[in-house]
Amino acid sequence: EVQLVESGGGLVKPGGSLRLSCAPSGFTFSSYSMNWVRQAPGKGLEWVSSISSSSSHIYYADSVKGRFTISRDNAENSLYLQMNSLRVEDTAVYYCARERDSYKIDMWGQGTMVTVSS
Amino acid sequence: QSALTQPASVSGSPGQSITISCTGTSSDVGGYNYVSWYQQHPGKAPKLMIYEVNNRPSGVSNRFSGSKSGNTASLTISGLQAEDESDYYCSSYTSSSTLVFGGGTKLTVL
Repeated sequence: EVQLVESGGGLVKPGGSLRLSCAPSGFTFSSYSMNWVRQAPGKGLEWVSSISSSSSHIYYADSVKGRFTISRDNAENSLYLQMNSLRVEDTAVYYCARERDSYKIDMWGQGTMVTVSS
Repeated sequence: QSALTQPASVSGSPGQSITISCTGTSSDVGGYNYVSWYQQHPGKAPKLMIYEVNNRPSGVSNRFSGSKSGNTASLTISGLQAEDESDYYCSSYTSSSTLVFGGGTKLTVL
């Protein structure tokens, strides 16, 4: 089955860290750029970060730059998001998302919830 | 990286057509034909409905269409059906090599 499965979400205190993982299946992971997109409770979608297929190009939203790090391991078929210095406003469902040519996201995971609260 | 501007809500009756606008700048919507539209039902992951301004992925109804003029893109849904009631988001590639989403539009089918 072609799918993306996120894990690693949970409750963390402000200033803490969390590492999200995404496990793809059913397609050749190493051929695609990947993204993290988040959605705060009751709010809209917010693009967080992207990484090219070979990790040669990495980009971040200004809101997370310097705090979050995206990475991937094509040999292990995994995508990661290391989140440091977490803030209350980082509370959201985090989606792992596959990007196709022309910057369209054609596959989304089910999301993992991250709650930053004291 | 300001969000693209969408109306908060639109509504229409079954069978009617509605249009959702998505306004950006020359650095995103106006500068590239890389505008996509996503449908998101409550509690679900988004679904790609339109890409490259006016292309439909396989399996998406031809009642959905897209267009662009200047810095504003639009999604039109014709022959509204109850199942179309959902949240809709536009997105665009930007000159910073990032993606930006719109704030989202809640479509109500009356």
